[in-house]
Amino acid sequence: GNSVTQMEGPVTLSEEAFLTINCTYTATGYPSLFWYVQYPGEGLQLLLKATKADDKGSNKGFEATYRKETTSFHLEKGSVQVSDSAVYFCALKANAGKSTFGDGTTLTVKP
Amino acid sequence: GAGVSQSPRYKVAKRGQDVALRCDPISGHVSLFWYQQALGQGPEFLTYFQNEAQLDKSGLPSDRFFAERPEGSVSTLKIQRTQQEDSAVYLCASSLWLPAQYFGPGTRLLVL
Repeated sequence: GNSVTQMEGPVTLSEEAFLTINCTYTATGYPSLFWYVQYPGEGLQLLLKATKADDKGSNKGFEATYRKETTSFHLEKGSVQVSDSAVYFCALKANAGKSTFGDGTTLTVKP
Repeated sequence: GAGVSQSPRYKVAKRGQDVALRCDPISGHVSLFWYQQALGQGPEFLTYFQNEAQLDKSGLPSDRFFAERPEGSVSTLKIQRTQQEDSAVYLCASSLWLPAQYFGPGTRLLVL
């Protein structure tokens, strides 16, 4: 079956540091890939997506590139802010229905 | 509406009690999804509707779980004879076109 494995947390960084959260997947076919973010006390929000190999999703300074050869979709940001503190979920959708999520990575950014 | 809404936001149930969780999707969204999120884990798929048709219910953990969307808009997830292992956050999501989904704030269920 489909699965998503993401970097275990928690991750603690200083403001303006570089962020990488690793995500790898196993899926049949050609899935779409997503990063969702959950800020404290709020629901899941779509952060970015990529629907085919070599696509780069980007939003709010975050980027992730769909790498079919390594089955990866790592999340990066060049300079994190305190307001980026949240839980980040990697997910895939391989058909018209359900999404499969990783277990989430908690990011804390300290001033 | 402005977004996906869910009610109640919190529910405490005694073991063996039946509960009903409501989801109001974004107006006009054809697809509706239910997920279960245990503490410290990612959401796990429960079931999926396209309009009023339940196209996939493979994630429902037992026959105590039942979902409906009779008019293709509001959906209700019902759990009969709740057990402690049902304690989780239940998330609803809707989408107009695939693959983007918009999530509600969730209902946190605690079974004592």
